[in-house]
Amino acid sequence: KNEVEQSPQNLTAQEGEFITINCSYSVGISALHWLQQHPGGGIVSLFMLSSGKKKHGRLIATINIQEKHSSLHITASHPRDSAVYICAVRSRRDQGAQKLVFGQGTRLTINP
Amino acid sequence: DTGVSQDPRHKITKRGQNVTFRCDPISEHNRLYWYRQTLGQGPEFLTYFQNEAQLEKSRLLSDRFSAERPKGSFSTLEIQRTEQGDSAMYLCASSLTAVAPFGPGTRLTVL
Repeated sequence: KNEVEQSPQNLTAQEGEFITINCSYSVGISALHWLQQHPGGGIVSLFMLSSGKKKHGRLIATINIQEKHSSLHITASHPRDSAVYICAVRSRRDQGAQKLVFGQGTRLTINP
Repeated sequence: DTGVSQDPRHKITKRGQNVTFRCDPISEHNRLYWYRQTLGQGPEFLTYFQNEAQLEKSRLLSDRFSAERPKGSFSTLEIQRTEQGDSAMYLCASSLTAVAPFGPGTRLTVL
């Protein structure tokens, strides 16, 4: 079992719909990241969370440390939101490299 | 552009050839990471440098792989005797704090 699991793996929705992508992890973490990857391959950081909730434009990220779970929400989705969304964690045990451990990604397609 | 850059962006090679990729981090960043991403999967950690010192290597980094960061600035990742299973996107990230911006990646195709 992977340390970071995302669901769903694929999500197709109509423009305007409210989108939720879930991430569960099995290790103690110092931080959780939500990342966006477009078809060209470049990865952009959307949020870094260690507690609570963050909002940026139409994107909202929440984390529940006790339940080891995070969600990424997109309100009023738009075709330009189509991308792969990746959850990644930094393990609290990793005092050295502080490397990221990634989920497998959620491929989101928003149809006009 | 002051972000992380990688070169080349695409590389096609024949099985058995050697390839080398370069990553130029953000200039003041002392940490540099290499990750590998295969199709349909999230990235996986390969190795990490703090300044010029390579401090951690994944078990994924077989003896055909070598990474260097000779002056604590740019880094190179070399794959010797490439195999078809090496086909992937190779991503570089650098950081000074907890947020590590990624480069655009080098997509390697081994024929």
